[in-house]
Amino acid sequence: AQSVAQPEDQVNVAEGNPLTVKCTYSVSGNPYLFWYVQYPNRGLQFLLKYITGDNLVKGSYGFEAEFNKSQTSFHLKKPSALVSDSALYFCAVRDANTDKLIFGTGTRLQVFP
Amino acid sequence: GAVVSQHPSRVICKSGTSVKIECRSLDFQATTMFWYRQFPKQSLMLMATSNEGSKATYEQGVEKDKFLINHASLTLSTLTVTSAHPEDSSFYICSAGDWDRGTDTQYFGPGTRLTVL
Repeated sequence: AQSVAQPEDQVNVAEGNPLTVKCTYSVSGNPYLFWYVQYPNRGLQFLLKYITGDNLVKGSYGFEAEFNKSQTSFHLKKPSALVSDSALYFCAVRDANTDKLIFGTGTRLQVFP
Repeated sequence: GAVVSQHPSRVICKSGTSVKIECRSLDFQATTMFWYRQFPKQSLMLMATSNEGSKATYEQGVEKDKFLINHASLTLSTLTVTSAHPEDSSFYICSAGDWDRGTDTQYFGPGTRLTVL
């Protein structure tokens, strides 16, 4: 069965510092991996994805993620955090057979001024 | 772009009434749309997969007769919560699969907050 794990419920970082939100996955076959962000009382916004190609994927709002096959990880990163990045972040993997997204439990990012 | 809208954004209804939520893909066609439910401080729970022109596929434990899904066109899917009760109060989010343009990405609507009194 395919699964995604986000080991941290919350990540705290000071504004201007680099941030990392962790995600590991377990899939059979090639993974389709996604990061979404959710602001309060809003739907999910697509940030970036890895399907094939370069392991370093760049996305919206200055975010990037690195696909690491040997560590089965897809950590989300940003070189310099903003207070406005504070939100709930979800990692997801797409089930190739059903097209369904399998979500992690989410990580709340808190950026302090 | 890839914009998905939902209407209404917020609805309050009395127990026993039915509520319809619309999900539209505004700038792309979506043969597949998905309906999720999200409880406070929790991840998304997939309720059903909606396929244009065919019956929806429901996840285990989701009542088909209570949550009616219609995907009548390539840009519109509706979720009707029938005979709503307070326990149906939740945040409902739809997504549309952007398969035809090759992005292989689900784009999400802004969500609908349902409160059943």
